[in-house]
Amino acid sequence: KQEVTQIPAALSVPEGENLVLNCSFTDSAIYNLQWFRQDPGKGLTSLLLIQSSQREQTSGRLNASLDKSSGRSTLYIAASQPGDSATYLCAVRKSGNTGKLIFGQGTTLQVKP
Amino acid sequence: GAVVSQHPSWVICKSGTSVKIECRSLDFQATTMFWYRQFPKQSLMLMATSNEGSKATYEQGVEKDKFLINHASLTLSTLTVTSAHPEDSSFYICSAPRASGTHEQYFGPGTRLTVT
Repeated sequence: KQEVTQIPAALSVPEGENLVLNCSFTDSAIYNLQWFRQDPGKGLTSLLLIQSSQREQTSGRLNASLDKSSGRSTLYIAASQPGDSATYLCAVRKSGNTGKLIFGQGTTLQVKP
Repeated sequence: GAVVSQHPSWVICKSGTSVKIECRSLDFQATTMFWYRQFPKQSLMLMATSNEGSKATYEQGVEKDKFLINHASLTLSTLTVTSAHPEDSSFYICSAPRASGTHEQYFGPGTRLTVT
């Protein structure tokens, strides 16, 4: 059974700091991995999607890496801003066409001005 | 980008009543949609997979007679919480994957259900 773990559960950093969020999964047979952002009481916004054959994806100040063999992904946020404060969720999609996403528990980030 | 909408965004109902939540894909067709449930400060738990034109597939432990799912068209799935109880109060989120390319999943804004 696939399990997804995110560390740390919460993180507080001063504005401008670079930071890394970690995601690990137990079954390396994944189709892809997505990183999402969730603001309190809101739905999910997709940040980056990495296919199983890819090593990383970049969008603006965000960079996500994937090491499928070790079951790990990281989300790197450069020059953090107070507006980055949110909960970040990673989710893996199982192989095949089921489309099911298995979510981690999330990392709640606070960026202090 | 692709957009998925949900209606209503929040609803308050009395115990014993039923509530219907709609999930729509606005600019793409979705033969499959997913319904998730999220408790405060917890992650998303998949409840069921909604399939256009056929029965939904429920995850283990989810009561299919309580959470009725209907995927009537390629752009609409509905979740009906029947005979709601206070423990059904939660945040319900739907998602729909594109059928091509990366199969990226797009999520609705969620529906906050409070049962009094």
